[in-house]
Amino acid sequence: EPEVTQTPSHQVTQMGQEVILRCVPISNHLYFYWYRQILGQKVEFLVSFYNNEISEKSEIFDDQFSVERPDGSNFTLKIRSTKLEDSAMYFCASSIQGAGYNEQFFGPGTRLTVL
Amino acid sequence: AQSVAQPEDQVNVAEGNPLTVKCTYSVSGNPYLFWYVQYPNRGLQFLLKYITGDNLVKGSYGFEAEFNKSQTSFHLKKPSALVSDSALYFCVSSSNTGKLIFGQGTTLQVKP
Repeated sequence: EPEVTQTPSHQVTQMGQEVILRCVPISNHLYFYWYRQILGQKVEFLVSFYNNEISEKSEIFDDQFSVERPDGSNFTLKIRSTKLEDSAMYFCASSIQGAGYNEQFFGPGTRLTVL
Repeated sequence: AQSVAQPEDQVNVAEGNPLTVKCTYSVSGNPYLFWYVQYPNRGLQFLLKYITGDNLVKGSYGFEAEFNKSQTSFHLKKPSALVSDSALYFCVSSSNTGKLIFGQGTTLQVKP
């Protein structure tokens, strides 16, 4: 069964450093998403991406964040200058279509720790 | 604004007994509602969804959920719990654009 994969599973970085979180969505999916979960809090939507453009982004997704699909398989989330409060579990998801009634398929997550 | 609430942090049930994990929603218009499950070190897995139609929705692993518009609830149920059902369960609503809004999650503990 096809699945979404994410690397690395755990990333430790120093405050102010840039990090890139990587995701490989399911191959025939066209819509891609990033969510995050700060420890003890709800899973929060960050951004959705379709046709090489951001479709929607949350207030969290400020200028420090960017997303890219550099090739036909990877989908990345970059944080330019990490802050302590960026420490969280980051989940990538993909779906065949972007309508609200379509289920999204999630990766196992990347735990980001900012020191 | 859309929101989803799961009033219980943890639900404990004995194996073989029925289980219910509660969820209420606040959504304008017709809701799209989902249940996802997370096992340790695994991604969130889709269980079932309600879009429209029959209020009782059946999903994976014997789970079902009942949509109740008057009570704005979407409780997850299973007639007979298994130890392997122990996991973290999320009730989720979706906007028309696919943005997911999560409840806080409920840990289900099934004891032998």
